Amino acid sequence: QKEVEQNSGPLSVPEGAIASLNCTYSDRGSQSFFWYRQYSGKSPELIMSIYSNGDKEDGRFTAQLNKASQYVSLLIRDSQPSDSATYLCAVRRRSGGSYIPTFGRGTSLIVHP
Amino acid sequence: EPEVTQTPSHQVTQMGQEVILRCVPISNHLYFYWYRQILGQKVEFLVSFYNNEISEKSEIFDDQFSVERPDGSNFTLKIRSTKLEDSAMYFCASKTGPDTDTQYFGPGTRLTVL
Repeated sequence: QKEVEQNSGPLSVPEGAIASLNCTYSDRGSQSFFWYRQYSGKSPELIMSIYSNGDKEDGRFTAQLNKASQYVSLLIRDSQPSDSATYLCAVRRRSGGSYIPTFGRGTSLIVHP
Repeated sequence: EPEVTQTPSHQVTQMGQEVILRCVPISNHLYFYWYRQILGQKVEFLVSFYNNEISEKSEIFDDQFSVERPDGSNFTLKIRSTKLEDSAMYFCASKTGPDTDTQYFGPGTRLTVL
């Protein structure tokens, strides 16, 4: 069973549009939820973290969490070509007696001018 | 702006050899992490380190792996006897303290095991 699932994409959107990225997770006891951006050949960079059900907004980014559905999403408004990257969903899930971060394989986003 | 640094950027080694990957976390950070990413695959957590001891580790982090903070600035990952499947990008990360989830990642060391 895959712990964190994402559609690999690519998701292609025109500049200025809203990009919607989705993630599901299997461990109902998972705690914190994160979205990272990773440019090709680079290291991940944290964009958003969310801990409770609902929406969290930061600039052009909105993270949405629904623990009942085990679903996390990231909306990017007014998408720019510079947003083109792979977006990684990560959750802290139980492993033994602790919680460890677990990543999805990422969704490739292409924003075309 | 302070950043996490890693050396070397690329390490090539023969199967069975020991390698040490080095990281210099941001100076006032207290929590340190190692991750790996096999080419084309997901980022995988290896270990977290705080107060000179391992705080969390994944199933991947077996007896072949060890971490150390030998002085006040370096944080190292040692792989005792490398296997072909250890070939990956290894990322070090650090964060200031328990009240933040923002980890700052280094640029990575690409390990190639031949």
